[in-house]
Amino acid sequence: DTAVSQTPKYLVTQMGNDKSIKCEQNLGHDTMYWYKQDSKKFLKIMFSYNNKELIINETVPNRFSPKSPDKAHLNLHINSLELGDSAVYFCASSASRDRAYNSPLHFGNGTRLTVT
Amino acid sequence: LAKTTQPISMDSYEGQEVNITCSHNNIATNDYITWYQQFPSQGPRFIIQGYKTKVTNEVASLFIPADRKSSTLSLPRVSLSDTAVYYCLVADTGFQKLVFGTGTRLLVSP
Repeated sequence: DTAVSQTPKYLVTQMGNDKSIKCEQNLGHDTMYWYKQDSKKFLKIMFSYNNKELIINETVPNRFSPKSPDKAHLNLHINSLELGDSAVYFCASSASRDRAYNSPLHFGNGTRLTVT
Repeated sequence: LAKTTQPISMDSYEGQEVNITCSHNNIATNDYITWYQQFPSQGPRFIIQGYKTKVTNEVASLFIPADRKSSTLSLPRVSLSDTAVYYCLVADTGFQKLVFGTGTRLLVSP
């Protein structure tokens, strides 16, 4: 069973469109994240939710809106897509937000978004 | 957040031991040291974590000197399937605002 699953795996779209990426985890974790990996392979956190509550919101354009219907799901909606949004987006989860030790991140396999 | 510095790339051959060293001069008292592995087209995967001295699991060992300003990930007898990018991170007991750098690209050849 896949622990953290994201869909779609690939997403090709045109500038100006709106798209969503879905994420689900079956690990029973309380905390979920969205990370972005750019072309230089830097992986940076975008958002984090704990039990459906937004706890981390990095400097991300407000065109990006996360939504967590329950603690097992964290979706990412992107409005008015731009060329610079092209990247690989990773969803992740962890057992706890309050401690780094013994609470490693479990990542999905990513969604490669290409904006043309 | 403490910053980490690691070599951009390393080459090795099958069966050799590989040691990847990470510098984290500004590590804080509450920070833990964590290593992740990432294969192409996959998300990073947790390998090992430690606070001080030595930690060993079925995959790797982690050596941390007393001053904790660096750490070394040791992969015993690597195989071709160990070819990946390895990330060193430090994180405290607070929110997990982990920042992954460029990591170390390990290439294992036959």
